[in-house]
Amino acid sequence: QVQLQESGPGLVKPSGTLALTCSVSGDSINTYYWSWIRQPPGKQLEWIGEIHFTGNTNSNPSLQSRVTISVDTSKNQFSLNLNSVTAADTAVYYCAGRLTTRAFDFWGQGTMVTVSS
Amino acid sequence: DIQMTQSPSTLSASVGDRVTITCRASQSVSVWLGWYQQKPGKAPKVLIYKASNLETGVPSRFSGSGSGTELTLTINNLQPDDFATYYCQQYKSYPYTFGQGTKLEIK
Repeated sequence: QVQLQESGPGLVKPSGTLALTCSVSGDSINTYYWSWIRQPPGKQLEWIGEIHFTGNTNSNPSLQSRVTISVDTSKNQFSLNLNSVTAADTAVYYCAGRLTTRAFDFWGQGTMVTVSS
Repeated sequence: DIQMTQSPSTLSASVGDRVTITCRASQSVSVWLGWYQQKPGKAPKVLIYKASNLETGVPSRFSGSGSGTELTLTINNLQPDDFATYYCQQYKSYPYTFGQGTKLEIK
């Protein structure tokens, strides 16, 4: 069974960079498409972006200019960098994985990131 | 972007009831839609993929139907564990988008 675990700082200063890593266990990172999804407190889910092990990425245009998603196949990890953060970026951040024709089968437990000085 | 609108936003029901949640898309998503259940403080859990395919391990009282711009999630014989928030999500095209959620409450 694939398991995902997010890691990274829980507090980021305004205008700084939010950096998270998702560690994948139970299968090769080469099998799936990997996404970052966030959920502000009490609000709906928002897809941030996706990466394949080949390095091919797609991001939400609403965040695209601030988002970088990368993959490290040697460590079975993928990462999210979101720069120029504001309080509006405060949310629970999830990493998730899916196969080509399926919805998000696998989710991390989520990590709360607060943007505050 | 494809906008996903769920109805109702809140649903009150009793154990044993049958309920239906509808997801309307601003343009066709064909069958590229998933349904998720989320409980407070937890990550979403996939129930249905490709509109009508039951995820392994999910009880058969959950079912999905529809295609195009109107898709539904039906839960038969509601159980106490089913009271949660449900989201639809399209993966027909980028950016992937979610509905605003339907909170299923105990009547």
